[in-house]
Amino acid sequence: DVKVTQSSRYLVKRTGEKVFLECVQDMDHENMFWYRQDPGLGLRLIYFSYDVKMKEKGDIPEGYSVSREKKERFSLILESASTNQTSMYLCASSFVTGAEAFFGQGTRLTVV
Amino acid sequence: GQQLNQSPQSMFIQEGEDVSMNCTSSSIFNTWLWYKQDPGEGPVLLIALYKAGELTSNGRLTAQFGITRKDSFLNISASIPSDVGIYFCAGESGSARQLTFGSGTQLTVLP
Repeated sequence: DVKVTQSSRYLVKRTGEKVFLECVQDMDHENMFWYRQDPGLGLRLIYFSYDVKMKEKGDIPEGYSVSREKKERFSLILESASTNQTSMYLCASSFVTGAEAFFGQGTRLTVV
Repeated sequence: GQQLNQSPQSMFIQEGEDVSMNCTSSSIFNTWLWYKQDPGEGPVLLIALYKAGELTSNGRLTAQFGITRKDSFLNISASIPSDVGIYFCAGESGSARQLTFGSGTQLTVLP
């Protein structure tokens, strides 16, 4: 089975802190994605990567950056956390474009 | 970006009833996927559809890829309490490298 693992289930951070969310997949997938999920807004794509060191902006990249130094790992970085970044963050991976994406268990981030 | 219209937004049904939900788009999709999300968890893939007209079952779940390639539906037969959750459709158009998600259908199964 494909396994996508996010480093934390719950995080509480202070406004202004730099926050790292880590995601690892074990199936040699090419594509990796970061979404945020908010009530009533569904899943919104923040960034995605289709190769090591490659990244593309999704629909809501402002306030975020990403890093993909190794194929299996995709990190989401909040340079200076703000309260409006309180959300559920979901990482996903897929083998190729158009194939099904597999999700991690999610990280619920609260910024206070 | 592309939009997927998923309906209904929420459903309250009695245990044992059948459920139907659908997604429509103004754009053509090459892939349709259906996911279920339990509270506090990530979405789990239920069914993947890759061909127009394709009808696929997974236990009590059946999904179809519309002939026009602009819609898909998911049916759940004989609902049980563990069917509770949020169901998402997702589509991939080929021109984009990522999936477009519907807004979800919140399903509640009453005993």
